[in-house]
Amino acid sequence: AAGVIQSPRHLIKEKRETATLKCYPIPRHDTVYWYQQGPGQDPQFLISFYEKMQSDKGSIPDRFSAQQFSDYHSELNMSSLELGDSALYFCASSLGFRRQGSYNEQFFGPGTRLTVL
Amino acid sequence: DAKTTQPPSMDCAEGRAANLPCNHSTISGNEYVYWYRQIHSQGPQYIIHGLKNNETNEMASLIITEDRKSSTLILPHATLRDTAVYYCIVRGLFNAGKSTFGDGTTLTVKP
Repeated sequence: AAGVIQSPRHLIKEKRETATLKCYPIPRHDTVYWYQQGPGQDPQFLISFYEKMQSDKGSIPDRFSAQQFSDYHSELNMSSLELGDSALYFCASSLGFRRQGSYNEQFFGPGTRLTVL
Repeated sequence: DAKTTQPPSMDCAEGRAANLPCNHSTISGNEYVYWYRQIHSQGPQYIIHGLKNNETNEMASLIITEDRKSSTLILPHATLRDTAVYYCIVRGLFNAGKSTFGDGTTLTVKP
């Protein structure tokens, strides 16, 4: 079965550079979530989108922005990168709770490992 | 979303059942219990969810107490590949659905 696709899988950037992470949800899924997992930490929710509109916001820095496009893929844009942004970034997708048969199970992608030097 | 409490670590012998407890005493009536696991640095993997009835799928069983204040995830025949961090998450169905990950239980399956 098709899974969530994230690209790139690995990314190395310098401080103050920008980065763009991409997420392609499971076909038919209309909701996308972004999570950040620092070394030795649990995943932390950043932001989510439902039907191309922001649906919830967590601990996302102002330097980060995200959007969901008409084909439901999402991009996380990160500017003025800091050393502390080095982490695994996971995208998850689900069928929105308004859809019949949905129980909001979230399916996670393999993650993008961002290293800021 | 309700807060959950899980033991930090557990061991299990290969081939035996692994029973992972979760306390969610502040769960509200419309909140579901979801279980995920994360094998080292991989994306969290959805396992199972339930509201108030016991649930079973090809991966695991979920037992929810009658008062819904706690639950147990059961892996009937643990294998070495089940070694992972297991997260119990409680969240409402009719909201944005973000998952708040707590500390989880590190399950180590030993040969």
